[in-house]
Amino acid sequence: NAGVTQTPKFRVLKTGQSMTLLCAQDMNHEYMYWYRQDPGMGLRLIHYSVGEGTTAKGEVPDGYNVSRLKKQNFLLGLESAAPSQTSVYFCASSYSVASGQNEQFFGPGTRLTVL
Amino acid sequence: DAKTTQPPSMDCAEGRAANLPCNHSTISGNEYVYWYRQIHSQGPQYIIHGLKNNETNEMASLIITEDRKSSTLILPHATLRDTAVYYCIVRAYSGAGSYQLTFGKGTKLSVIP
Repeated sequence: NAGVTQTPKFRVLKTGQSMTLLCAQDMNHEYMYWYRQDPGMGLRLIHYSVGEGTTAKGEVPDGYNVSRLKKQNFLLGLESAAPSQTSVYFCASSYSVASGQNEQFFGPGTRLTVL
Repeated sequence: DAKTTQPPSMDCAEGRAANLPCNHSTISGNEYVYWYRQIHSQGPQYIIHGLKNNETNEMASLIITEDRKSSTLILPHATLRDTAVYYCIVRAYSGAGSYQLTFGKGTKLSVIP
């Protein structure tokens, strides 16, 4: 099993450019998440999905859109990148969200710099 | 989710047990204690979780006090690869707000040769 994979690993954008980050998991998990981590800080939830075709906003959703057309994939889009979106982006997935069953499995991260 | 308090940093000699404490004095009855770690530049990694009984898996042991106000993560034989930031998280399923893992600053464990 590859677990959770993310594409690309690194990216540099200019302000105003758009891009899509791809997350894929092969564990047949229902729940998927996108987080961002800024230097010296914890992770903050951007968007999440509770199943194929459904998405919801997390703590910091502004400036991002997501789609979950297939159960195994969760896409994060930046329509018009801003320097404030320079960060490391982590995708995660979990089998459940019930107490005691919602350990999340994380991808290796995408390091995005917006100039 | 209940607030957790962890020491900012700890050192441990290679081969010795690493004992990482976490205080969660406001924990409620249905909240689990989870431990994750983040090795430099990598995604967080799930380690272990528990409710009130002590738990052990291939990575670590989790000791939860009887009053559940604190817990200790034990890495029985620390190696250099265990150098990481360790996060103690207390959470329960409570609707939409339960999806997010709230990572605090954690404890930076340095395993010394």
